[in-house]
Amino acid sequence: DQQVKQNSPSLSVQEGRISILNCDYTNSMFDYFLWYKKYPAEGPTFLISISSIKDKNEDGRFTVFLNKSAKHLSLHIVPSQPGDSAVYFCAASAGPGGSYIPTFGRGTSLIVHP
Amino acid sequence: EPEVTQTPSHQVTQMGQEVILRCVPISNHLYFYWYRQILGQKVEFLVSFYNNEISEKSEIFDDQFSVERPDGSNFTLKIRSTKLEDSAMYFCASTLGTSGGQRDFGPGTRLLVL
Repeated sequence: DQQVKQNSPSLSVQEGRISILNCDYTNSMFDYFLWYKKYPAEGPTFLISISSIKDKNEDGRFTVFLNKSAKHLSLHIVPSQPGDSAVYFCAASAGPGGSYIPTFGRGTSLIVHP
Repeated sequence: EPEVTQTPSHQVTQMGQEVILRCVPISNHLYFYWYRQILGQKVEFLVSFYNNEISEKSEIFDDQFSVERPDGSNFTLKIRSTKLEDSAMYFCASTLGTSGGQRDFGPGTRLLVL
């Protein structure tokens, strides 16, 4: 039962262009969404998050958009840099009454070419 | 910057053997977690631990698994009788509180069961 889906296992982008990573979820109880970045041989590193009361959150080159009606979120990286090459995990958690234990997607491997 | 550490980085074991994976969470954190990622699969929640007891566990965390905080710094995951399907990357994580789902992850232990 994949409650958090990242349908693209990989994405290849030219340096300087925009990277768009997509994530869909099925559980309408999720109200907090996170993106993690993972380099090989390292643990996931928190990147950016968004609460369901917002539809956009921006942090430098990273912006997360949330479309609650479509149960879809996306991570935009502009401009993409070779150092952004990593696996990106989308995660979602449920609010009060839930456990806040995030459910992760399978990840999307981003490769940014110089 | 404080970080979660894990030892060993790699462990190879024979099926049926016991393994103990060790984690040192960030010192002022109160909530501790184990996750695993089977190669090519999503990051899966195993167990959360707070105030010296398990607060939540997933279906994966069966009787073969146990966790312990033997002293003020270590947090261990024990697998009593390993199976081939236990081969995975095991990540420890810790948080100060529970809101939002954000976790500080360790670098992981790669477990290979032969």
